[in-house]
Amino acid sequence: DGGITQSPKYLFRKEGQNVTLSCEQNLNHDAMYWYRQDPGQGLRLIYYSQIVNDFQKGDIAEGYSVSREKKESFPLTVTSAQKNPTAFYLCASSGLGGAEAFFGQGTRLTVV
Amino acid sequence: GENVEQHPSTLSVQEGDSAVIKCTYSDSASNYFPWYKQELGKRPQLIIDIRSNVGEKKDQRIAVTLNKTAKHFSLHITETQPEDSAVYFCAASNSGGSNYKLTFGKGTLLTVNP
Repeated sequence: DGGITQSPKYLFRKEGQNVTLSCEQNLNHDAMYWYRQDPGQGLRLIYYSQIVNDFQKGDIAEGYSVSREKKESFPLTVTSAQKNPTAFYLCASSGLGGAEAFFGQGTRLTVV
Repeated sequence: GENVEQHPSTLSVQEGDSAVIKCTYSDSASNYFPWYKQELGKRPQLIIDIRSNVGEKKDQRIAVTLNKTAKHFSLHITETQPEDSAVYFCAASNSGGSNYKLTFGKGTLLTVNP
């Protein structure tokens, strides 16, 4: 079954802790993205990657880090430097050059 | 970088009426404009897209128009049904650029009243 999978669906974190959100795709897509979704804010781009071992900051990268060691995987780490991490996080992937982006089911992160 | 503005933020219509959502973009190099629908608790999914070499595209009850000169594009839904109720996002990108990414608008919550 092809697609893009995020895990876990719900995640709770204590203040001061780093946490890593998983994103895996088997669509053979070159590009992968992380978005943050807050009510009334739309989808804001955190990081994106077009090729293995390379990635770029999006509009709200502060307090986040990523890696792209494999084409299929693009994990996002929410660090303790992120001041307001509670949000819904969406991962997406696409081909390059104006192709449809497919989204994962999202991870809802709550800081407790 | 690209900036996408979307209006209105909320839209309420009666079943059977038409709905129109408008977006503007800032980067004249953008040439790919998709629209996504996100139902409550679900992931966004592509419903229609348009490229800068065409001015209009239709798919059954939905259509998208593009005005490159004015840098705006719109989603039109005719004969709305309750199942059209969702959040709709527009997006823009430069498909030929070396730094390909999708920039989204803030979304429109569409409510179709039976």
